[in-house]
Amino acid sequence: DSGVTQTPKHLITATGQRVTLRCSPRSGDLSVYWYQQSLDQGLQFLIQYYNGEERAKGNILERFSAQQFPDLHSELNLSSLELGDSALYFCASSVGSQHTNYGYTFGSGTRLTVV
Amino acid sequence: GQNIDQPTEMTATEGAIVQINCTYQTSGFNGLFWYQQHAGEAPTFLSYNVLDGLEEKGRFSSFLSRSKGYSYLLLKELQMKDSASYLCAVRDRDSNYQLIWGAGTKLIIKP
Repeated sequence: DSGVTQTPKHLITATGQRVTLRCSPRSGDLSVYWYQQSLDQGLQFLIQYYNGEERAKGNILERFSAQQFPDLHSELNLSSLELGDSALYFCASSVGSQHTNYGYTFGSGTRLTVV
Repeated sequence: GQNIDQPTEMTATEGAIVQINCTYQTSGFNGLFWYQQHAGEAPTFLSYNVLDGLEEKGRFSSFLSRSKGYSYLLLKELQMKDSASYLCAVRDRDSNYQLIWGAGTKLIIKP
């Protein structure tokens, strides 16, 4: 157990629907990062929050949004889902606002399947 | 622009040695990381290089040459459990210190 908790582990939904993915960072970590990994593709950085504030934005679609709550858990909202949104969504956390020299701690991911 | 290249797939034999290469082009290099990812699982951190040279950690070593924009991950005494994807990532100052990830190298270990 990495200490980063993601729920749900699996999600199957229809095109056009909206889903929410949840991430609880490791205790003491203030940063949460969201990544998308499509089949046989590299990790695509979506967005980072640090202590409740948006810190950095990557290739996140306008249909996607995220937030980090006062208890530091984060949610990634995906709307108007398309087949191409099917992917593994990972959350990672770190203590500071930047990636440390000791690596991220990743959660086990949410596998989203859009049918 | 930013670019990271790794071979898509490599095959090696149990007990042997394999070297996985990574070349990168970034404007604000601030460190290079290697992660291991088993199929369907989360990536796990293996190594970090910011200065030129070799960092050794048990059966795994990682090398960096900043002037050549080149790194490799060396795996010795290969075990079947080393079958996984190996991801190269560069921390980039000019991208707010985010990691820029390669697509990963799938390593297949044969008995």
